[in-house]
Amino acid sequence: QKEVEQDPGPLSVPEGAIVSLNCTYSNSAFQYFMWYRQYSRKGPELLMYTYSSGNKEDGRFTAQVDKSSKYISLFIRDSQPSDSATYLCAIGAGNNRKLIWGLGTSLAVNP
Amino acid sequence: SQTIHQWPATLVQPVGSPLSLECTVEGTSNPNLYWYRQAAGRGLQLLFYSVGIGQISSEVPQNLSASRPQDRQFILSSKKLLLSDSGFYLCAWSVRSQGPFFGQGTRLTVV
Repeated sequence: QKEVEQDPGPLSVPEGAIVSLNCTYSNSAFQYFMWYRQYSRKGPELLMYTYSSGNKEDGRFTAQVDKSSKYISLFIRDSQPSDSATYLCAIGAGNNRKLIWGLGTSLAVNP
Repeated sequence: SQTIHQWPATLVQPVGSPLSLECTVEGTSNPNLYWYRQAAGRGLQLLFYSVGIGQISSEVPQNLSASRPQDRQFILSSKKLLLSDSGFYLCAWSVRSQGPFFGQGTRLTVV
């Protein structure tokens, strides 16, 4: 079993839809959870960082962590064509930020 | 504010030639620095990790090496490139609970 599993998609939605992106992980020792957005041929951009179970909201983005189920989610409300990108989940433990990465989910938001 | 510079953006090199990719970080002190490689369908692979000047941890045995001659400078090198070294190389930094934050990447094609 991989340490982090992420459905690669592609996921295609109409503009304005609510998008749900998910990752599962296997090791309960992981302490922090991140979501990155990566546009084509660019470096990943940190979107959300959470340290514990629960929800964290930032504008149209909500990150959710369920440590008991080892399941993390990123929700995008009122999705826009500019949200079209690959979304990567990353998880880690300790201060060195050596993360375990999902393979990414490709999202297309159609106008 | 902190910024990271990575260059060049694209590079085409013949097999057997040397490589030097440079990354610099501005606006922070004593960052952790990382070199990642991203290959299609394989996600982000951590190559090297550094917690300070001259301190390099190699995560994956390979044809590459890294050096950190100054606090905010990280260099990825190879003496002789292989075809399998082609990929998207990303430099990143983190400080305590912040990051990692990525540069814009270098797309290397070995021909």
